[in-house]
Amino acid sequence: SAVISQKPSRDICQRGTSLTIQCQVDSQVTMMFWYRQQPGQSLTLIATANQGSEATYESGFVIDKFPISRPNLTFSTLTVSNMSPEDSSIYLCSVESGAPGWGYEQYFGPGTRLTVT
Amino acid sequence: LAKTTQPISMDSYEGQEVNITCSHNNIATNDYITWYQQFPSQGPRFIIQGYKTKVTNEVASLFIPADRKSSTLSLPRVSLSDTAVYYCLVTGNTPLVFGKGTRLSVIA
Repeated sequence: SAVISQKPSRDICQRGTSLTIQCQVDSQVTMMFWYRQQPGQSLTLIATANQGSEATYESGFVIDKFPISRPNLTFSTLTVSNMSPEDSSIYLCSVESGAPGWGYEQYFGPGTRLTVT
Repeated sequence: LAKTTQPISMDSYEGQEVNITCSHNNIATNDYITWYQQFPSQGPRFIIQGYKTKVTNEVASLFIPADRKSSTLSLPRVSLSDTAVYYCLVTGNTPLVFGKGTRLSVIA
């Protein structure tokens, strides 16, 4: 298993500003994932972040809006840039555990609740 | 990626067994079936995973028929603290793609 912490746990931001969310894992992991969960909705994958390479973004998400850093195997950041009220969501960091042929698990952080006013 | 279909919501009384069925008609040979639980204001938590037949752990049982086109999560004797959203996922590799989930409400 993996223990994941996120900072901040919540924040209220003004539109037009940016917020950087930090994700720290207690063990080295190859792949980290960032999800968004809008109020009352399911989780939507934003991007996959591998250490040492550019993040891979899902359809509808772009690097200019959600730049991601992955400086080492235990840490990642997600920045929400030029925020608007539509960006109000919970942002979750996740890591994988498992191996091909054995099934995969993902562990999730507690989330960062962002409110944009 | 295989798509899953599960009921939007379910209600149950405390102490009852709850069965949540999920359909995944186009599951691939190397896919596993995985269930997650999410409480309000928390990230999803892994409950159970299986490939075929039956899997049981301290939290739940997972029943998978031979054709693997559906699966049933069984929660024995639910309590109020089992009120949560339960997600069924077909996982051949990461990252996980979440459907809408089943919102289980346990009533006293």
